[in-house]
Amino acid sequence: GAVVSQHPSRVICKSGTSVKIECRSLDFQATTMFWYRQFPKKSLMLMATSNEGSKATYEQGVEKDKFLINHASLTLSTLTVTSAHPEDSSFYICSATDGGLDYGYTFGSGTRLTVV
Amino acid sequence: AQSVTQLGSHVSVSEGALVLLRCNYSSSVPPYLFWYVQYPNQGLQLLLKYTSAATLVKGINDFEAEFKKSETSFHLTKPSAHMSDAAEYFCADHTGTASKLTFGTGTRLQVTL
Repeated sequence: GAVVSQHPSRVICKSGTSVKIECRSLDFQATTMFWYRQFPKKSLMLMATSNEGSKATYEQGVEKDKFLINHASLTLSTLTVTSAHPEDSSFYICSATDGGLDYGYTFGSGTRLTVV
Repeated sequence: AQSVTQLGSHVSVSEGALVLLRCNYSSSVPPYLFWYVQYPNQGLQLLLKYTSAATLVKGINDFEAEFKKSETSFHLTKPSAHMSDAAEYFCADHTGTASKLTFGTGTRLQVTL
């Protein structure tokens, strides 16, 4: 089946530094990738949608200069949290789809970001 | 805007009992509906999906869901709960543009002995 690898699974960084999270589709071409943020005991909040080779489309209220998304290839998308602050601490999850008619959305295993 | 409503943020059942997790959608066009399960500190795993074929959808681990257009519902059921079913369950809908999924608020399933 379709597999999405997300790395790292956990990261701790200092305030003011940047952190990059990778999302890779291992056995299919991900024409579209999604980045979500999940607060404790809450649902997933879509942050942005990225299509390979195009600029990401950010949801309302998401700072695009803070959450940089790159989808340079059909198998890799990255989310960079720039100048991280403690309030950016959260669980980030990526998802990918090949846009096929079976509407398959495969999720990564998530990244727990802690900013100290 | 389309929305997905999950009634009950927390459901507790005894091991071996029926599991029923409720989901209602608001889309006026034929939806594509999904149920996902999330274990602590993990991503989402697809349980099953409805894509306008059979209204009764069978998924993994004996879960199934029935699409009822008249009730705009897509409730998730399992005949006999197992301790390993304890997790967070999300219902999601895909009907909008840009292939986006709209998630419900989630239901935490607790299974007791």
